[in-house]
Amino acid sequence: GQQLNQSPQSMFIQEGEDVSMNCTSSSIFNTWLWYKQDPGEGPVLLIALYKAGELTSNGRLTAQFGITRKDSFLNISASIPSDVGIYFCAGRRARSGGSNYKLTFGKGTLLTVNP
Amino acid sequence: GAVVSQHPSRVICKSGTSVKIECRSLDFQATTMFWYRQFPKQSLMLMATSNEGSKATYEQGVEKDKFLINHASLTLSTLTVTSAHPEDSSFYICSAREGQGAKYGYTFGSGTRLTVV
Repeated sequence: GQQLNQSPQSMFIQEGEDVSMNCTSSSIFNTWLWYKQDPGEGPVLLIALYKAGELTSNGRLTAQFGITRKDSFLNISASIPSDVGIYFCAGRRARSGGSNYKLTFGKGTLLTVNP
Repeated sequence: GAVVSQHPSRVICKSGTSVKIECRSLDFQATTMFWYRQFPKQSLMLMATSNEGSKATYEQGVEKDKFLINHASLTLSTLTVTSAHPEDSSFYICSAREGQGAKYGYTFGSGTRLTVV
């Protein structure tokens, strides 16, 4: 199935640095979601975006729903060791029908934070 | 917030046997649940959409007779891997959609690590 183009694939940063990752698609999305997944666990929602241009923060995390509705980014400021994990973007495409609740996932960004 | 409980977290079974995985929404009703499969260092791949009171909708390439889905109530969906083989070993994750109108959330279970020996 279709996947979102998520980049970068991995990042190695020092504690205290800021991080930015993004997702793009050739299709229009109605909803963008950002999740974090720790090893052996299910994804945990970080931020949900429902409107084009929307900018939302959750603590040190900030995400934006692109104005074209085809992209989104996630920023993490002042990273700490517990930010380590895999970050996934996910989107719900703008289409009608019984399958319109499906999410499409990016391939993930593996974040490593060196203390 | 919304909580989804998935059980078991780990299961080891012999080749040829069947395994059932449960996904429960604890504090909300979920008319739609989703089942994903995740291989190591890869993203989540949707297997099927589970609809309460009706048949599940399977993604292309997913064998519906092998991965049986039952969504008999608004809080429970089950995935049964029938006649499991080693290649079915994977991390299976469920999620439930909750909310109304234009804003709704997708809450994930903690996943089930299936190992077929």
